[in-house]
Amino acid sequence: AQSVTQLGSHVSVSEGALVLLRCNYSSSVPPYLFWYVQYPNQGLQLLLKYTSAATLVKGINGFEAEFKKSETSFHLTKPSAHMSDAAEYFCAVIEGSQGNLIFGKGTKLSVKP
Amino acid sequence: KAGVTQTPRYLIKTRGQQVTLSCSPISGHRSVSWYQQTPGQGLQFLFEYFSETQRNKGNFPGRFSGRQFSNSRSEMNVSTLELGDSALYLCASSFPVGQTTDTQYFGPGTRLTVL
Repeated sequence: AQSVTQLGSHVSVSEGALVLLRCNYSSSVPPYLFWYVQYPNQGLQLLLKYTSAATLVKGINGFEAEFKKSETSFHLTKPSAHMSDAAEYFCAVIEGSQGNLIFGKGTKLSVKP
Repeated sequence: KAGVTQTPRYLIKTRGQQVTLSCSPISGHRSVSWYQQTPGQGLQFLFEYFSETQRNKGNFPGRFSGRQFSNSRSEMNVSTLELGDSALYLCASSFPVGQTTDTQYFGPGTRLTVL
């Protein structure tokens, strides 16, 4: 079965600093990987999606993620954090042929002024 | 284009009662999936409906059921509520084109509290 591991349940950065949120997956087939963001009391918003077209995927709000097959990783980065980036971020993988998302436990990002 | 809408947004029930949650997908989307989000278990897949048929099901007891109507709107029902059913229930819609990898777009969720 496919699974997703997000390293670090909480990450704190200063405004303007690099954001790096880690995600590792396990999959026996080429994966489809996603990053979602959740703001308090809201649903999930898609940040970006990897579909094997390119290893570096650019998303909304200045975020991007790089797929590294050798490391089974799909880390999310943003060069310069903004206060509005404070939220919880979820990495997810599609479960085989069935199509449902398997989520990591989430990483809560705090941004200090 | 309007996003995924879920009603009600908040709900309080007592143990033993049943509840029905509603989800209206993005116009033109034919697939609706349901997820449960709790602090302890995180985000877990409940089931998916496509063209009024349950196509995929997660590992939840039979108390959790759903259905989809011809206009793609979906309802989720939980019978005999337990305290552990307190959660944020999220609905997501997608427009399958024969792929199971279509992007899922989420609604704001229904916050269910069981007392």
